[in-house]
Amino acid sequence: EDQVTQSPEALRLQEGESSSLNCSYTVSGLRGLFWYRQDPGKGPEFLFTLYSAGEEKEKERLKATLTKKESFLHITAPKPEDSATYLCAAHAGNMLTFGGGTRLMVKP
Amino acid sequence: KAGVTQTPRYLIKTRGQQVTLSCSPISGHRSVSWYQQTPGQGLQFLFEYFSETQRNKGNFPGRFSGRQFSNSRSEMNVSTLELGDSALYLCASSQDTYEQYFGPGTRLTVT
Repeated sequence: EDQVTQSPEALRLQEGESSSLNCSYTVSGLRGLFWYRQDPGKGPEFLFTLYSAGEEKEKERLKATLTKKESFLHITAPKPEDSATYLCAAHAGNMLTFGGGTRLMVKP
Repeated sequence: KAGVTQTPRYLIKTRGQQVTLSCSPISGHRSVSWYQQTPGQGLQFLFEYFSETQRNKGNFPGRFSGRQFSNSRSEMNVSTLELGDSALYLCASSQDTYEQYFGPGTRLTVT
């Protein structure tokens, strides 16, 4: 059975304090790894797709990387507006399997 | 391009009733997926429709059903509502890449 696990479940950072979120996956035949951001009461917002080990993608203060077993979302010098839940999802077969998410809180 | 729209945004129903939720995908997207999101279970896949055919289905009881129309709009139906069906129901659309774009969701409360 495909599994996606995110850690930590919650993370509190001071503004400017860089950190990384982890997404570990066990799927048969990974076809893509997706990262989303979700604000309270809203639908997830697409951030990145990674297709192969070694691939990296960046957007503002966020950088996503992928290995054969896990993906990391690195947040550099975060700001309070980066506070949200970050979800990763693995695409295998004909569906996406989502992790439980990491709730990020950035304090000024 | 307009994003994914879902109606209604909020719904309150009583146990035993049925409900229909609607989703309009991004123009040109032929795949529509539905998810249930709860604090305890996270995002769980319900089903996916592509060109009016159900392409994949998650592990939900038969009370949950869906369909897709020729214009790619989709509906999902839940019959005989239970308290545990209270959740945020999310619809996502994509071209055939699984890079999914989500709507704002429908918040269903069952009393």
